[in-house]
Amino acid sequence: AQKVTQAQTEISVVEKEDVTLDCVYETRDTTYYLFWYKQPPSGELVFLIRRNSFDEQNEISGRYSWNFQKSTSSFNFTITASQVVDSAVYFCALSEAVLTGNQFYFGTGTSLTVIP
Amino acid sequence: DVKVTQSSRYLVKRTGEKVFLECVQDMDHENMFWYRQDPGLGLRLIYFSYDVKMKEKGDIPEGYSVSREKKERFSLILESASTNQTSMYLCASSSGRKSYNSPLHFGNGTRLTVT
Repeated sequence: AQKVTQAQTEISVVEKEDVTLDCVYETRDTTYYLFWYKQPPSGELVFLIRRNSFDEQNEISGRYSWNFQKSTSSFNFTITASQVVDSAVYFCALSEAVLTGNQFYFGTGTSLTVIP
Repeated sequence: DVKVTQSSRYLVKRTGEKVFLECVQDMDHENMFWYRQDPGLGLRLIYFSYDVKMKEKGDIPEGYSVSREKKERFSLILESASTNQTSMYLCASSSGRKSYNSPLHFGNGTRLTVT
């Protein structure tokens, strides 16, 4: 079973639109971390944010915001007023503390295209 | 900034060749990882290592081996390359031995084509 599901394979938006990337995870651990990574066309995955399972506060960083809801096992990522530079593949990942040690589980990624 | 360097950006090899993919990190990280990335499949873990001379199998280790003789270097070896190993290979490192809360830092990737 997929531990991290990113149901949206590809999304296209027009510049300045808001866009939300969905991430649903599955774990039996009570202690875990969730991550978002960005992979621009250059190929290198860039770490964006980390959230632990005990902290459900939403986080905002500039035009980026993240909504973590344990009740629905979701960790969604919203880009406000999208820009062309946001075009990339975005990955959500889960790291479990107890059951699997240091293994990360990645979703299959959402490819975002921002049209100028 | 953490720097993870993969020796080749693009590589073309023939079926049956032995292939070495090299990865070096400069931040004294304990943990190193090799992933392959394929369209529609995301990132899949091949091997990882928590320490020098230690290695553990990931989800898809078949056809691969690894070597970690020095802390900063983690090599992925394809003993006999096959066309189904054509893929993007990503190396990553993280701090804190077996730490589950440290983010991974990735290299630029090596796009390997096996013909």
